[in-house]
Amino acid sequence: AQKVTQAQTEISVVEKEDVTLDCVYETRDTTYYLFWYKQPPSGELVFLIRRNSFDEQNEISGRYSWNFQKSTSSFNFTITASQVVDSAVYFCALSEALEGGSEKLVFGKGTKLTVNP
Amino acid sequence: KAGVTQTPRYLIKTRGQQVTLSCSPISGHRSVSWYQQTPGQGLQFLFEYFSETQRNKGNFPGRFSGRQFSNSRSEMNVSTLELGDSALYLCASSLNGGVDTQYFGPGTRLTVL
Repeated sequence: AQKVTQAQTEISVVEKEDVTLDCVYETRDTTYYLFWYKQPPSGELVFLIRRNSFDEQNEISGRYSWNFQKSTSSFNFTITASQVVDSAVYFCALSEALEGGSEKLVFGKGTKLTVNP
Repeated sequence: KAGVTQTPRYLIKTRGQQVTLSCSPISGHRSVSWYQQTPGQGLQFLFEYFSETQRNKGNFPGRFSGRQFSNSRSEMNVSTLELGDSALYLCASSLNGGVDTQYFGPGTRLTVL
């Protein structure tokens, strides 16, 4: 079965520090998608990025960057110059194909990031 | 475009009661999935609906059910509530399901006393 491991349960940094959130996954599928979501205290899961298993190019979006390495089954997320507003729980997720053409997301346990002023 | 909306945001019920939660997807999205989030089990898939049909269901007892209407709005129902059903229930919508990105609503926090 698919599995996502986020080994870091909680991380605390001081504002302007860079921080990397780790994500390791297991899958039998040759084609799959990886995601990162952010969950602020309000509870809503906010979509950040989706990456196809065939596209190993790193991606940068403002202060956010993602490093996808198929060889190590990792999809790590880095926040550069962190800000207090980045404080949230971050989830890594993996798509799992189901019968009938649908897919579900398999989530890691999440990493709680606290950015202190 | 308005995001996914869920009502109510908070609910308090007692054991044995039943509850219905509602989800309105993003306009144009035809697939709705439901997830349960608890501190112990994390985020777990409940079921997915597309074109008023349940396409898949996660590993939950039959007390958990749902439906989808012709306008893609979805409801989930939990009957004979147990203390362990206390959780944040999140609804996600996507264009056509499958590999399309799922966008989540704010959730309904259910407390069972």
